[in-house]
Amino acid sequence: DTGVSQNPRHKITKRGQNVTFRCDPISEHNRLYWYRQTLGQGPEFLTYFQNEAQLEKSRLLSDRFSAERPKGSFSTLEIQRTEQGDSAMYLCASSLSGTFNYEQYFGPGTRLTVT
Amino acid sequence: AQSVAQPEDQVNVAEGNPLTVKCTYSVSGNPYLFWYVQYPNRGLQFLLKYITGDNLVKGSYGFEAEFNKSQTSFHLKKPSALVSDSALYFCAVRDSTGANNLFFGTGTRLTVIP
Repeated sequence: DTGVSQNPRHKITKRGQNVTFRCDPISEHNRLYWYRQTLGQGPEFLTYFQNEAQLEKSRLLSDRFSAERPKGSFSTLEIQRTEQGDSAMYLCASSLSGTFNYEQYFGPGTRLTVT
Repeated sequence: AQSVAQPEDQVNVAEGNPLTVKCTYSVSGNPYLFWYVQYPNRGLQFLLKYITGDNLVKGSYGFEAEFNKSQTSFHLKKPSALVSDSALYFCAVRDSTGANNLFFGTGTRLTVIP
């Protein structure tokens, strides 16, 4: 399978705990995105990497959230001191750079439940 | 500011009939427009895009969409619906001059009735 993969698929945690999610993009894609999707809503942009550089961050990305892509391949999204409002599906997507390569390919998501 | 509106939360259509899922958008520059489909417990799947050129674009699974600049719309269409088309459909937009991320609508649930 050469698509975007995300781990874990599900995570249940208690409020106040830290969690980390991993995303492995399509191998030749140099752009990687994180989105958050809550019930009844479309995905909302969180952050974007080109290679290892984090180029854009949404205002949704509070200081409890941090994302890395250390070698320009896989990425991690960490949420510190989780809150119940963090419960959502966290989606990762990847794409190629270049003219007209604008479509993003999404992974299956990590569903986070904060109790 | 960029935004997308999907005015219908739910669309029901009989199998074999044509279907339309509506989308309107707002961007500052030229729009790049996309349709995605989401099946239960699966990620978003790319269906089609409009970047430039012909206003009618064709995509996966027999879907097509028509870009209408004057009406700022990008409606998704299919001539003959299948039961397997039942899913959640999202329209998304990106500004050609702005950030690389996509802005999504709230989704339209399509149900095809056998």
